[in-house]
Formats: sequence, C-alpha cells, structure tokens
Amino acid sequence: SQQGEEDPQALSIQEGENATMNCSYKTSINNLQWYRQNSGRGLVHLILIRSNEREKHSGRLRVTLDTSKKSSSLLITASRAADTASYFCATGNAGGTSYGKLTFGQGTILTVHP
Amino acid sequence: KAGVTQTPRYLIKTRGQQVTLSCSPISGHRSVSWYQQTPGQGLQFLFEYFSETQRNKGNFPGRFSGRQFSNSRSEMNVSTLELGDSALYLCASSFGQGTSTDTQYFGPGTRLTVL
Repeated sequence: SQQGEEDPQALSIQEGENATMNCSYKTSINNLQWYRQNSGRGLVHLILIRSNEREKHSGRLRVTLDTSKKSSSLLITASRAADTASYFCATGNAGGTSYGKLTFGQGTILTVHP
Repeated sequence: KAGVTQTPRYLIKTRGQQVTLSCSPISGHRSVSWYQQTPGQGLQFLFEYFSETQRNKGNFPGRFSGRQFSNSRSEMNVSTLELGDSALYLCASSFGQGTSTDTQYFGPGTRLTVL
C-alpha cells in the first residue's frame, strides 16, 4: 500500500517557471527521499532529507519537510524541458521491519513546455 | 563508480512459466531491495537482502522469491507467472546500515511482460 498522496497528480508549466510538488505521508519516518523517473525507466535519486531536518537544497532543488503535518514539498526552480518526468517521494525508516523498504507515493507527472 | 545494473532489460513470458531477474549492486553496497511498479498499484516493495539474508519482505505471494550471493548480487524469481505480474521490476542498492542517511540507488529495471 502507498504511504500517502502526492499533489498534484500532474503539473504542466512553461520553461523557466518554478514547479512545486507536495507529498503527504501517514506514519512517522526516519527520512524522506525524492526520486525522478523518466518514461518508465529506473528511478534517479534527487535528495534525501532526514526527519530532524526542515529544509535542504541541491542545485535547483529545494525540499522542505514538516513532520508535524507529515508532509514534504519539492520545489524545482527555473525549470527546463529536461525536467519533464515523474517525481516520487519515498519514506524510509531505520531497522526492524523497515530494513531496505521505501514506501512510495503515487507520483507527480511534471511536463515542462519549451 | 558503476551504478546498479539489472539483467535482462526486457522479458516476455507466457502464463505459468517462471522467470529469474538479476541485479548487481553498486560496489560496496551490501543491501539490495526489490520493487514492483505497475500503473495500478504504483511502486511496491517486494523484499530486501543484506549479507545473503532476507531482512524484510513485502506483501506478495510466495511465488515471488529472491536470494543474495556472497558478492551482494541478487536474483529474484517469480514462479507460475500470471498476467498481473507484468510490471517493471526495479532493484535498488544501499549500504544497508539502516541509518537515517541510507540512500537507495536504483537500477534501470527489467520490463516483464506476461502473455
């Protein structure tokens, strides 16, 4: 079963605009990771944020995490046509029955028009 | 450093057959996790192996099994294939320490089609 919801399910923007995707989850987590997937290929890791962090940056990516609301957002600034892909959030926990298990959201399909 | 590799990339099988998929993790990674991705169910966790031991298992029938070798390479097997097993099968590797910074790196996937 999926951990939570991603919002929006699809997002269409013009090159140069910012794209914001949101992710909500249900249970307590140890970390949250964002991945990108192009056309049914493998997942590319974008960024990991730990439960004790509130914000993280990587290049044009900014991720926030609000554990009190059990939600995260991914902001892509100055988007490019090459950013067109599906974006997934995935939550993880440490140890026990959580070993090696990421629980994914349904994903947001981002389309960036040149 | 080479990434995660999966073979084969594409497979076509018929109902009732069995299939074996292979995954080679990033050098130094001891944990391999497997996921199934379908349009209807999304990405779902199958199982995880660390040092040749299955540490965790998702909610899949016993037809789905796996193993890990001493060099950390992993295989998964699906027996008595059903049409619903058609999916993209992804493996991911990590150091497997189970810490808060344990990032999983994914391979390109194996696209399985069951006819």
